[in-house]
Formats: sequence, C-alpha cells, structure tokens
Amino acid sequence: AQKVTQAQTEISVVEKEDVTLDCVYETRDTTYYLFWYKQPPSGELVFLIRRNSFDEQNEISGRYSWNFQKSTSSFNFTITASQVVDSAVYFCALSEVSRGSQGNLIFGKGTKLSVKP
Amino acid sequence: GAVVSQHPSWVICKSGTSVKIECRSLDFQATTMFWYRQFPKQSLMLMATSNEGSKATYEQGVEKDKFLINHASLTLSTLTVTSAHPEDSSFYICSASLGDMQGNEQYFGPGTRLTVT
Repeated sequence: AQKVTQAQTEISVVEKEDVTLDCVYETRDTTYYLFWYKQPPSGELVFLIRRNSFDEQNEISGRYSWNFQKSTSSFNFTITASQVVDSAVYFCALSEVSRGSQGNLIFGKGTKLSVKP
Repeated sequence: GAVVSQHPSWVICKSGTSVKIECRSLDFQATTMFWYRQFPKQSLMLMATSNEGSKATYEQGVEKDKFLINHASLTLSTLTVTSAHPEDSSFYICSASLGDMQGNEQYFGPGTRLTVT
C-alpha cells in the first residue's frame, strides 16, 4: 500500500487562480514528519516545508499555505493567486521515526502543476 | 547555506561501462547522505542510505554490487553504476542531512542524468 498518496497526477490552472494539492499519508508511527518539495523542470528539488506530527497548526508563507489534519491523515498544500513560475511537480513526503534515525523520505508520486498565463 | 552539488550533471555512457557520480555537501558536514533515482514522470525512489565511514544501507530490490556507494568523508559520497545497461538510464539525485536526527531536512543535489546507450 502506498504510504504517501497524491491522487492528483496533473492539475492545470490559469494564472491567479488558487489551487490545492492533496496529500494523504499512512503510518503507524506516532512521531513522523511530513514534507513538501517542488521540482521545477530543471530537476532540482526545492524544500518548501517540514511539519512534525505533533504540530497541527496550519502554516502560511506568502502565497503558500499548508493544512495538516491528523484526523484525516492529510497534509494539503494551497497556492493562492498562482503564477506561471509555480509550474512544477510537487512532491509530498513522509519520514517515519520507526525506520530509525536515518530520516528516510518516502515520496508520493507527485502532482504536476501547470499554470497558464 | 546547505548547498549540495553533484557531478556530473549529465553523462552518456556505453553499455557495459561504469559511471561514477559524486555528491558533495559544500558548506556543511553531512553525517548521512541518500541516493535516489527517478524515472521520467515518476517519483523519487530511495536506493540507499549512506553514513560516513560505514557501509551503505540499500533498499530492498537495489543491487549492492551494481550500485556501489562510498561515503569516504563527511562531505563526499559517490555512487558508481557498474556495468551499466540501458535500463539504468535514469535521473540520480543525492541528498545530504545535517544530522542523524529523524526529521532533519534533506538538502538535495541538482541531480545527474545518466543515459546508457
């Protein structure tokens, strides 16, 4: 079973629209970490956010916001007023403490976001 | 800060030859480095976890003798693809972690695109 599910394979929006990227995870650990990364066409992964399992506060950073809900095992990512530069593949990832202190990341399959002008 | 470089950024080699990819943490010491591979339009799959001075831990299904990992110092890890075949063509990405604590952010290199002809 997939531990990190990003059900949306591709999303296309027009500039200035808001868009939410879904992420559902599965773990038996009580302590874990969730991440979002952006991968532009160049290929290099860009870190966006890390959230630990004990911190359910939503976070806002500029046009980006994240909604973490343990009750539904979801960690969704919203881009407000999207821009063409937001076009990229976005990955949600999980790090489980039970796998040791290695910090291994389990990635979802990614959501390709295309923002058209 | 926390920059990770990879060399080469791309390489084309003939089937049967070996290719070495370097991963360096430029401005920090990385206790742990990770190697991922990413096929086109797919997610990142962890290949192995590498700790300085010890043998790498390989994920299930990854051939140790084919993908040789050496983590000789706190700033350098190398991945050697031995006797490469066309099916090894992929995007190889390394990442480095600042410490051995779970949830530490991983800093990703820009990736190396390997094409085996």
